Amino acid sequence: KAGVTQTPRYLIKTRGQQVTLSCSPISGHRSVSWYQQTPGQGLQFLFEYFSETQRNKGNFPGRFSGRQFSNSRSEMNVSTLELGDSALYLCASSPTGSSNQPQHFGDGTRLSIL
Amino acid sequence: KQEVTQIPAALSVPEGENLVLNCSFTDSAIYNLQWFRQDPGKGLTSLLLIQSSQREQTSGRLNASLDKSSGRSTLYIAASQPGDSATYLCAVLLAARQLTFGSGTQLTVLP
Repeated sequence: KAGVTQTPRYLIKTRGQQVTLSCSPISGHRSVSWYQQTPGQGLQFLFEYFSETQRNKGNFPGRFSGRQFSNSRSEMNVSTLELGDSALYLCASSPTGSSNQPQHFGDGTRLSIL
Repeated sequence: KQEVTQIPAALSVPEGENLVLNCSFTDSAIYNLQWFRQDPGKGLTSLLLIQSSQREQTSGRLNASLDKSSGRSTLYIAASQPGDSATYLCAVLLAARQLTFGSGTQLTVLP
């Protein structure tokens, strides 16, 4: 069974641009969560989607948005990029997001802002 | 606000040694606690999940315990190997289906 796939693996952008990251969950998984990982703040929750609906959102500005498609694939968009958005963005999936289900993470997209 | 702390931040041990990693959390209203490992440049690999009603879970050389009332969890690694070198993260699942992570323990097992 293929794992969680995130594309692209690396991205370089400049301030003010926008970026879209993609995540394909494990087949059959309908819950997809996004996390930001930085050296200073560690891992922080961005949002969680289930069946195309955002169920939960972390404490990030509105520049961070996402969506989920009918095939459970998810995209995350960051607009008006800032230097502080440089981070590893991780996606995780589970069948339904239930508490008895471990989260399976992809290898992430490393975003660098110049 | 839930806070998760991991001590120590870094640990170096010789191969073959048994070791314990510690995790503490401030709010006992958790749904589960998970332990992950992260290798450099990689994502997180789930090691063990302990439901809030459980006390421990075991997988191979790994054993994780949970004491919800005191807000503590430990990850015990038996007979450590160089391949165990990685950053170990604990995370608690809240009602909002979001994981709150500790800052991790960077483990180095010396051959």
